[in-house]
Amino acid sequence: AQTVTQSQPEMSVQEAETVTLSCTYDTSENNYYLFWYKQPPSRQMILVIRQEAYKQQNATENRFSVNFQKAAKSFSLKISDSQLGDTAMYFCAFMNLGNNNDMRFGAGTRLTVKP
Amino acid sequence: KAGVTQTPRYLIKTRGQQVTLSCSPISGHRSVSWYQQTPGQGLQFLFEYFSETQRNKGNFPGRFSGRQFSNSRSEMNVSTLELGDSALYLCASSDFGATGNTIYFGEGSWLTVV
Repeated sequence: AQTVTQSQPEMSVQEAETVTLSCTYDTSENNYYLFWYKQPPSRQMILVIRQEAYKQQNATENRFSVNFQKAAKSFSLKISDSQLGDTAMYFCAFMNLGNNNDMRFGAGTRLTVKP
Repeated sequence: KAGVTQTPRYLIKTRGQQVTLSCSPISGHRSVSWYQQTPGQGLQFLFEYFSETQRNKGNFPGRFSGRQFSNSRSEMNVSTLELGDSALYLCASSDFGATGNTIYFGEGSWLTVV
C-alpha cells in the first residue's frame, strides 16, 4: 500500500525567508505522480506543483520548487521569498499512473508566514 | 473557465437521514473523484467516475455511493448518516489530457451530522 508521510505538523517562517516542507512516500510502483496542494482557511485545495516520477528534473513554479529524490522516496517543497498569503495547510500527495485519481495524501503541514 | 462547483456548501443533517451532494466538473473534464476530509482521518479517497462508470473505489462502507451523469456532473449519496460522517467532502475533476492527470478540487461541501 502506498503511504505518504509529512513529518512536520507545523512550521513557521518569516516573511521573505525560505522554508522547506518535507514529504516521504512508500511505493513499489515505478510510474507515479507527486503533488503539493495548498489548503488555505477557505479549505479550497489549490495545486501548488506537480512532479512526474519519470522526470529527473525537479519541477518549479515561480517561488515554489521541489527536491525530488526518487531513490530515497523523498519529495520536499521549497518556498522562496515567503509571503503572508502562503499561510495555509500544505499536503503532499501521491498517485500511481493510471490509478484513476486515487490520490494518497499526507497528514499535512500547517505553515504560518509571520510578518 | 469555471472551476469545480460543489453544492450545497454547508448542510446539517440528523443521524439516520441521507444526504446527496452535487459536483459539476470543469468543462471538458470527464473524470470526477470524491474525497472525505476529517480532522482524524485526513483526506481519504472515496471513489472516481469516468464516463458514467465507477472505475475506482476507496475503503468506505456501502452507505457511500455515487453516480455520474452524461454531462459529467456527479452526485454522491450517504445513507443512514452517522455522527462520524461529519466532514468536508471534496470533489475533484481532471481531464487526463492537456494537464496530464492533474486534479482540480472544488471548495467542498461541509456536512454536519447531529
